[in-house]
This record gives sequence, structure tokens and C-alpha cells, in this order.
Amino acid sequence: GAGVSQTPSNKVTEKGKYVELRCDPISGHTALYWYRQSLGQGPEFLIYFQGTGAADDSGLPNDRFFAVRPEGSVSTLKIQRTERGDSAVYLCASSLWATTNTGELFFGEGSRLTVL
Amino acid sequence: QQPVQSPQAVILREGEDAVINCSSSKALYSVHWYRQKHGEAPVFLMILLKGGEQKGHEKISASFNEKKQQSSLYLTASQLSYSGTYFCGTVHRGNQGGKLIFGQGTELSVKP
Repeated sequence: GAGVSQTPSNKVTEKGKYVELRCDPISGHTALYWYRQSLGQGPEFLIYFQGTGAADDSGLPNDRFFAVRPEGSVSTLKIQRTERGDSAVYLCASSLWATTNTGELFFGEGSRLTVL
Repeated sequence: QQPVQSPQAVILREGEDAVINCSSSKALYSVHWYRQKHGEAPVFLMILLKGGEQKGHEKISASFNEKKQQSSLYLTASQLSYSGTYFCGTVHRGNQGGKLIFGQGTELSVKP
């Protein structure tokens, strides 16, 4: 597809379960970002990748959160032992290079996670 | 580290103007503006890289005062399609690797 694709679009899980959220960036984009957005708030930075490596993971809230991008394209955000406070829309974005160059991030529609 | 936006919300009539401000407590490398409509993904508007830089996008323009660590977004002769939440994002000096931090947003409603 032409845009950033995120799956699933909706995920309902129970407290304590493990969740994986997938992001398929625009082809050729080397930078990939994960954000979390709660209702009425701005996107909260979690992590970004330049290529396969995590260039900055300072926004990951704790060690229950982990993200990978093994081949420099698709990325997976993994959340262990989910808590109700993890409920939010998880946004993925990609760009040609990291922010300081082209600047434009292309966002996906997000994965809405609900932890019961 | 999160930039602060003001106002939090604004209601306009079609054709009116608005200004949205974004300020940071840290020195900035760049400022980015996005608009998000309800239930949709944020969409890029513009990026300002240099102090004093001004840019325009149709009737939406922005300025960047590097010294004051502030940016302002100007919407002139607003249209119904301008409704949405506007976010500024900042990249701090010394962190030019690409970490973009968003403000809490300004909700703009344009009424007929």
C-alpha cells in the first residue's frame, strides 16, 4: 500500500496478557516512530528507529514495552503483562530519514488497545 | 520537555483568524506542526528549521523565534476544513537525531 499500515486496528485484551502491534511503513522510509496517544492528549513519544537499530528508546515507559525492527522495514511493538493504563491508541509513523532532514512524518491510522 | 501550547481550545466563525502558540523550556533545533481530525491520523503541515523562518501553507503560516524558543501558527480567513486539533512538535538542540516531542494540542472548531 501507499501509506503506513498498522495492525490490528483494534485490540481488546485482558490485564496481564501479552500484546503485539505491527507497523508496516512506507516503502523506502528508513526512519520509523512509535507514539502513544490517550484521549485528548498529544502523541507521546515512545521510540524511533533509524534502519534496524533503535536510535532513541527513551520514551518507553518501562521494561514491559519493547520494539523491534529486524530487517529495517516492518516493526513490532510488544507489550508484556498489560495493564489498564496501557489502554491508548498506538500510532506508528515513518519518514525518509530521521526528523532533522525531510521533517515529514507519515502516520498510520493507529492501533487502539483496550485493556480490560 | 513537552512543549506547551496555548490556547487549549478556540472556536471561530468562518473567515476569522486564529493564532496558536507553542513554547519550549529547552533550546530548539526545529519546530513541526501537524493537524489531526477526529478519529484520523495526524497530518503534517510544515517544519521550521531556522530561527526567524516563516512558512506558509495556503492560508496557514507559521513563524519560529529561536531565541524565545517559541513558534506560532497563524490561520487566516479560516475555513470549515480547518477544524481539528493542532499539535506542535519540537526537536531539541543536542537531540537532532530525530526525537520529536508533541505538545498537548489545541482544538480548533470553525463554525459556519
